[in-house]
Amino acid sequence: AQSVAQPEDQVNVAEGNPLTVKCTYSVSGNPYLFWYVQYPNRGLQFLLKYITGDNLVKGSYGFEAEFNKSQTSFHLKKPSALVSDSALYFCAVRDKGDYKLSFGAGTTVTVRA
Amino acid sequence: DTEVTQTPKHLVMGMTNKKSLKCEQHMGHRAMYWYKQKAKKPPELMFVYSYEKLSINESVPSRFSPECPNSSLLNLHLHALQPEDSALYLCASGALTGRTSETVRQETQYFGPGTRLLVL
Repeated sequence: AQSVAQPEDQVNVAEGNPLTVKCTYSVSGNPYLFWYVQYPNRGLQFLLKYITGDNLVKGSYGFEAEFNKSQTSFHLKKPSALVSDSALYFCAVRDKGDYKLSFGAGTTVTVRA
Repeated sequence: DTEVTQTPKHLVMGMTNKKSLKCEQHMGHRAMYWYKQKAKKPPELMFVYSYEKLSINESVPSRFSPECPNSSLLNLHLHALQPEDSALYLCASGALTGRTSETVRQETQYFGPGTRLLVL
């Protein structure tokens, strides 16, 4: 079965510090991995995805993610967090059933001023 | 422009009411999705339409009835809902640049802002 895991329910960082949100995956074929962010009372916003090629993927709002095949990880990173980055973050993998996007449980990020 | 719009933003309905949620996109996307999301939880897939045909129904109760009148519109008709159906209903669309399994799996889903539904 294809799945993703986000091992941390909550991540707290100070503004200006690096932010990392962890994600590990399990797939049987090629991994297609996505990160989404959800601000309170809003829909999900696409941040970035890994399809193939460069292991470092750059996305929106200064976020990037590093694909690591040997560790089956796709961690989301931002060098310098902002208070406005406080939100719920979801990692997702495309399921073998083609259309279905399987989400992790989500990680709540709180950036304190 | 990657905008998906949903109306209404909020909806309160009784268990005997009939209502509809509407989703619209003008990006030329040929895959459209309905998700249900409970607070602080990941979205759960309900239905998938590809090229205006229902491709996936994730064993959703018949009180939820999807409809795709054309390539830009997606509706979700609601009837005789239960209080546990209260949730945020999200619509998403995807480009479907090809019809192969690999191209489908690579496409990005773009989400609308959702309709917050309360069933009394």
